[in-house]
Amino acid sequence: DIQLTQSPSFLSASVGDRVTITCRASQGISSYLAWYQQKPGKAPKVLIYAASTLQSGVPSRFSGSGSGTEFTLTISSLQPEDFASYYCQQFNNYPFTFGPGTKVDIK
Amino acid sequence: QVQLQQSGPGLVRPSQTLSLTCAISGDSVSSNSAAWHWIRQSPSRGLECLGRTYYRSKWYYDYAVSLKSRITINPDTSKNQFSLQLNSVTPEDTAVYYCARELTSNYGRIDFWGQGTLVTVSS
Repeated sequence: DIQLTQSPSFLSASVGDRVTITCRASQGISSYLAWYQQKPGKAPKVLIYAASTLQSGVPSRFSGSGSGTEFTLTISSLQPEDFASYYCQQFNNYPFTFGPGTKVDIK
Repeated sequence: QVQLQQSGPGLVRPSQTLSLTCAISGDSVSSNSAAWHWIRQSPSRGLECLGRTYYRSKWYYDYAVSLKSRITINPDTSKNQFSLQLNSVTPEDTAVYYCARELTSNYGRIDFWGQGTLVTVSS
């Protein structure tokens, strides 16, 4: 199985901050990567797919980049509703593994 | 708008079979552009893809290797739903279980999820 790691595991930030989360794959996955946001008690919600394509309806402050083994999710200006956990998922090979998550908390 | 409605028990005894169903509205289980997943989430294992089914002139199935001997996913075209059966459960199978739709075009993504079912394995 392809392993995904995320860094940091936890970050504390303020409203208006620029936030970057990194996801690394154990082998090359081209652009077969999606990013999700999850709030407590809810299912994940897709933000980005194909590494850099914004899902319809998602605010433009979210962006994704990368290919191969290293990817980033950036929130350009953190909003109160963005405090949540974020996960990457690869679609290169089944099983479509997830990263362990990054929790974004209020500073 | 796609909706996925999960049903099934929240408590399963050890060594018994976990059974969940996901009813689909707004799409078809036989769609040529979707795949239908079961995913679970627990504090110890995180988010974990268990298996999926999809139709491309015939039915295909993918399962997590660690579960291959215990898991079955079945599509039901007459009811437009799909189901999960996980045999011989142990407390390690305790998790929130989700059904989900994957759009298989353009590198893939999971864009719709069921509401989640907390399944506890306990005597």
